Amino acid sequence: DADVTQTPRNRITKTGKRIMLECSQTKGHDRMYWYRQDPGLGLRLIYYSFDVKDINKGEISDGYSVSRQAQAKFSLSLESAIPNQTALYFCATRAGDNQPQHFGDGTRLSIL
Amino acid sequence: AQSVTQLGSHVSVSEGALVLLRCNYSSSVPPYLFWYVQYPNQGLQLLLKYTTGATLVKGINGFEAEFKKSETSFHLTKPSAHMSDAAEYFCAVTSVSSGYALNFGKGTSLLVTP
Repeated sequence: DADVTQTPRNRITKTGKRIMLECSQTKGHDRMYWYRQDPGLGLRLIYYSFDVKDINKGEISDGYSVSRQAQAKFSLSLESAIPNQTALYFCATRAGDNQPQHFGDGTRLSIL
Repeated sequence: AQSVTQLGSHVSVSEGALVLLRCNYSSSVPPYLFWYVQYPNQGLQLLLKYTTGATLVKGINGFEAEFKKSETSFHLTKPSAHMSDAAEYFCAVTSVSSGYALNFGKGTSLLVTP
């Protein structure tokens, strides 16, 4: 089983819909992150969390919200999806400051 | 703020040739640097990391990188390319101001030709 699991893997939806992307981990890490990847732009940070009571905005948080339901679960929501939120979304976890991040396999989201 | 720049969005090499992917960083504090690889329809896999200590870092699949503070560089190399090395490669630096998230370069797509 994967250490960092993202669901769904693919999603197609319409403009204005509310969407939730889920991430769960079995690594026991406190730190969790959401990124989006766009062609030619690399990955950009949306939100990050150090624990269930510590949520922080990243570089591109507008239009997104998150929920840290438990140490192992970190969900990303698009309240009212728009086409320019079409992207590949990644969840990641991290054990400590100088440790690498561990990524899920991503959710490919298309908004029509 | 910490950032990285990857030179060359696309690199093409012949099978068996040297692979060199360039990464330069900007950081006001000692950086933690990483290289990740992404195969089609997959997540990111760690190739190698530099935090402290030895400046020549060896990773998986025969890749290595050298941290050069004087040149603010962390270039990725492999002596002999394999067809299976074709992928997207990302250099990243830890962002102290963003909860130790990663600031990624824009990526380099490596093509390996027979």
